Amino acid sequence: NAGVTQTPKFQVLKTGQSMTLQCAQDMNHEYMSWYRQDPGMGLRLIHYSVGAGITDQGEVPNGYNVSRSTTEDFPLRLLSAAPSQTSVYFCASSYSRRTGSYEQYFGPGTRLTVT
Amino acid sequence: DQQVKQNSPSLSVQEGRISILNCDYTNSMFDYFLWYKKYPAEGPTFLISISSIKDKNEDGRFTVFLNKSAKHLSLHIVPSQPGDSAVYFCAASGTGTASKLTFGTGTRLQVTL
Repeated sequence: NAGVTQTPKFQVLKTGQSMTLQCAQDMNHEYMSWYRQDPGMGLRLIHYSVGAGITDQGEVPNGYNVSRSTTEDFPLRLLSAAPSQTSVYFCASSYSRRTGSYEQYFGPGTRLTVT
Repeated sequence: DQQVKQNSPSLSVQEGRISILNCDYTNSMFDYFLWYKKYPAEGPTFLISISSIKDKNEDGRFTVFLNKSAKHLSLHIVPSQPGDSAVYFCAASGTGTASKLTFGTGTRLQVTL
């Protein structure tokens, strides 16, 4: 049981480039979310999904795109990277119908630098 | 507008003593609260949670207290151990929004020998 996995661990982009951060979970969780963590600001929600084919915006969605074609995967796309998107990105999953538990489990993070 | 606030950026406690981490919230729609622990270069790890229908939840050395009228919760760690040194985040969600957590800014706990 790998839990929540994220790739890559580190990435450096130039302004204007695009890329996709990968996230996968093997816990059969219904919900998945993306957060970013910036110094002194805690974690802020970017986008979330309550099931395959269903996504919605969080607190800071601008400049990011998501899709959820399977229960297991929830990629985050940066359309045109900007220095303001330099951050650590965390993917999380939660809610198992089997256990009824809502606690979110986080991946190890992707550290992104945009120059 | 910070809906979940952790006003102490850092806390230092001696090993064996009690650590008390505090969290305040402003949104009365929040009904589920969680504490996460985070080590450097790792993702947050779930520690303990509490529903708004309770005022206390205990799990081993960790106890969370909820005061709904004051919109305040606290995490007690007894006894504190050096391995507890980490950043602790308080988080909250509302009914039907379990996929959306609102986090505080974190408190760095250092447990000294």
